[in-house]
Amino acid sequence: GAVVSQHPSRVICKSGTSVKIECRSLDFQATTMFWYRQFPKQSLMLMATSNEGSKATYEQGVEKDKFLINHASLTLSTLTVTSAHPEDSSFYICSARRDTTLFTEAFFGQGTRLTVV
Amino acid sequence: GDSVTQMEGPVTLSEEAFLTINCTYTATGYPSLFWYVQYPGEGLQLLLKATKADDKGSNKGFEATYRKETTSFHLEKGSVQVSDSAVYFCALSAGNNRKLIWGLGTSLAVNP
Repeated sequence: GAVVSQHPSRVICKSGTSVKIECRSLDFQATTMFWYRQFPKQSLMLMATSNEGSKATYEQGVEKDKFLINHASLTLSTLTVTSAHPEDSSFYICSARRDTTLFTEAFFGQGTRLTVV
Repeated sequence: GDSVTQMEGPVTLSEEAFLTINCTYTATGYPSLFWYVQYPGEGLQLLLKATKADDKGSNKGFEATYRKETTSFHLEKGSVQVSDSAVYFCALSAGNNRKLIWGLGTSLAVNP
């Protein structure tokens, strides 16, 4: 299957600083990538849809100024958590969508464990 | 709107037991259906998929059949192993934007 690489896998940052998480599709082009946040009891929350060359579409309740998404190329999307606070500590997962004429399939990165201290 | 309902966990089984994790959906049109697995500390991996009614997806001994009449896509495995311990997510993709709609996940623990 296709490979999506997410980096870093773990990051610890101080409150008030910003953290950038990268998501790369290694062997296919992804015009659409998704960013999720996963809470401790396993539910997966879609934060935003990242579209190459255009602005991201944020889900209701997600602050676009806090979670900056950039999809500068067909293989790279970045999520920047700005002015991070302890409540932003979570597991962030990206996925890249590969479309065929018959169906859509999503491939996931390994996730990033963010801890804000 | 579109939605996915999964049976609540956690599910605890002994090794070699039979596994069923129920998943039902509501969707307009003809969705594609997926099962994803998340091993501890890792991201999600596609386990299997089905794109039309009566299709059976299978992988690593797991199976799920797309049942349009019952709007279900139950995951089954005849004999689970300790290494199958993970969280399993049912999902559908439908509509013009083909966004994935997720179930809440079912945690499976397999004891030796």
